[in-house]
Amino acid sequence: GENVEQHPSTLSVQEGDSAVIKCTYSDSASNYFPWYKQELGKRPQLIIDIRSNVGEKKDQRIAVTLNKTAKHFSLHITETQPEDSAVYFCAASIGAAGNKLTFGGGTRVLVKP
Amino acid sequence: GAGVSQSPSNKVTEKGKDVELRCDPISGHTALYWYRQSLGQGLEFLIYFQGNSAPDKSGLPSDRFSAERTGGSVSTLTIQRTQQEDSAVYLCASTSTGGPYEQYFGPGTRLTVT
Repeated sequence: GENVEQHPSTLSVQEGDSAVIKCTYSDSASNYFPWYKQELGKRPQLIIDIRSNVGEKKDQRIAVTLNKTAKHFSLHITETQPEDSAVYFCAASIGAAGNKLTFGGGTRVLVKP
Repeated sequence: GAGVSQSPSNKVTEKGKDVELRCDPISGHTALYWYRQSLGQGLEFLIYFQGNSAPDKSGLPSDRFSAERTGGSVSTLTIQRTQQEDSAVYLCASTSTGGPYEQYFGPGTRLTVT
């Protein structure tokens, strides 16, 4: 089955700096790659996703890049703010909506003011 | 509209007792997932229901764990003979197979086994 590795496990950045989280996946058939943000004590929520026919996607201060050849994808957060502090999870899925997601282990991001 | 709901929000039980956790998915969502999240850890997949298909039980950690989904809607996760290592937050999520792909998570049930 699919295996998703996520690095780093913790990331501390100064407010205003950029944060980058990287994930690798094992199954070349995976074609959907979402990122979820989980604030302390709250449920995970989707922040951005990318499909395998796209190499990069941006939404304001966040962007995701995908390299299908290397089987890795990354989350980039620019101009970090204290409210970006949370745990971020990457995931991979094969096939259409409703298919099982395999999550990475998570990255705890701390933005220092 | 209403999101995914779970009950109870907190459950404290004695070791060896059985517990039932409930998930109400978003109306019309045909796919439902259960995950376990231990303190400070990631999301561990447990089981996945998709429409009328046989569930994917590949993530259930032992035969003490089981789940049902009645009428294609509400799901119940049952843990028999609970152990202390079962203590965790159990999260339910649902998604629409008609798109978009986003999994909507419930607030979770925090289970504490004493």
